[in-house]
Amino acid sequence: ILNVEQSPQSLHVQEGDSTNFTCSFPSSNFYALHWYRWETAKSPEALFVMTLNGDEKKKGRISATLNTKEGYSYLYIKGSQPEDSATYLCAFMDTGNQFYFGTGTSLTVIP
Amino acid sequence: DTGVSQDPRHKITKRGQNVTFRCDPISEHNRLYWYRQTLGQGPEFLTYFQNEAQLEKSRLLSDRFSAERPKGSFSTLEIQRTEQGDSAMYLCASSRSGRSYNEQFFGPGTRLTVL
Repeated sequence: ILNVEQSPQSLHVQEGDSTNFTCSFPSSNFYALHWYRWETAKSPEALFVMTLNGDEKKKGRISATLNTKEGYSYLYIKGSQPEDSATYLCAFMDTGNQFYFGTGTSLTVIP
Repeated sequence: DTGVSQDPRHKITKRGQNVTFRCDPISEHNRLYWYRQTLGQGPEFLTYFQNEAQLEKSRLLSDRFSAERPKGSFSTLEIQRTEQGDSAMYLCASSRSGRSYNEQFFGPGTRLTVL
């Protein structure tokens, strides 16, 4: 079983704070790293697909970086808003197209 | 709405009963996946279809579990003789082969509680 770890498990921040979380994954058989945002009672929503070492992607106030050599990705949220409250999942995709999810980081933004 | 849909959203059943869940993927997607998420864990892969063919099954999928996709469109996941350990969120996702990096689109899940 392949190990994908996310930290922290949960996070409470004040509105306006910036925050970041980590996804750690094996550095072998890497094909892609997916980030999803999952709000309660909704479907997980794709945020980013990252493939190349050194990749940086940005969508509004959310950005992500990728280091495939050391096996980690960071997700950053700048100026957190209450609507950012959700669970953020990363999924390691191996060369066999198999997805392995982390346990998620639960973010609560306090107004 | 053209997203992935799942039915029912919640199911409460007694131990020993059979349950069946349905997933309707995005219409042009030929790949369909089932995942299970238990408390405190990330989603775990259960099985995968390309069109109507079930191409891969996880060892997590015991013989009490069966999945079908008879016409290559919607899929059903049946659990026979449910056990309390089957309580989980069952997620379905779909994708289109040939699309780069196998971007999967998820449904909202079916939450199963076995009493």
